[in-house]
Amino acid sequence: NAGVTQTPKFQVLKTGQSMTLQCAQDMNHEYMSWYRQDPGMGLRLIHYSVGAGITDQGEVPNGYNVSRSTTEDFPLRLLSAAPSQTSVYFCASSPTGTPLEVQETQYFGPGTRLLVL
Amino acid sequence: SQQGEEDPQALSIQEGENATMNCSYKTSINNLQWYRQNSGRGLVHLILIRSNEREKHSGRLRVTLDTSKKSSSLLITASRAADTASYFCATDASNDYKLSFGAGTTVTVRA
Repeated sequence: NAGVTQTPKFQVLKTGQSMTLQCAQDMNHEYMSWYRQDPGMGLRLIHYSVGAGITDQGEVPNGYNVSRSTTEDFPLRLLSAAPSQTSVYFCASSPTGTPLEVQETQYFGPGTRLLVL
Repeated sequence: SQQGEEDPQALSIQEGENATMNCSYKTSINNLQWYRQNSGRGLVHLILIRSNEREKHSGRLRVTLDTSKKSSSLLITASRAADTASYFCATDASNDYKLSFGAGTTVTVRA
């Protein structure tokens, strides 16, 4: 298994441009999520999905859209990039998504470094 | 807002010494997890402790949880250079799908 893969590894955008960060997992995990990591702030949840067709907002959803058409893929779209979105973005997946056993072990991708000029 | 906060922010120890870091959180939790992040890499899950557990071991790792104080500690025994990394605690609040991460403790193990 490849685990959780993310593309691209690094991206430079100009303010106002849009782009999609790709995330895929081959472990048949129901739960997937996107985090951003900024210096000194740990990881903050952007959006998450408990299964295909179901998404919800996390702590910092503004400026980002997600969709979950398949179990494997969970792309993150930046609608109009801003310098404040310069960050490292991590996708993660988890095999469970029920209220009693939520978020057992999350598996993280290698991250996408995004620079918005 | 961040649920967990790690202490200290940074820790430098000699190889072979033990490393202890703490995590405090604000609300009731379902479980608490510790993750490691090597420089420039994704996070790797280390250990999960449930709210009804007080202590858990995994290899050289020992985690304790005190729900009355809303705190947890991670002990790495007999540290190695390969343990140099940032360590994050993450809390799963009861009946919540969301993990909340602290800002992390950066551990440097000197040879």
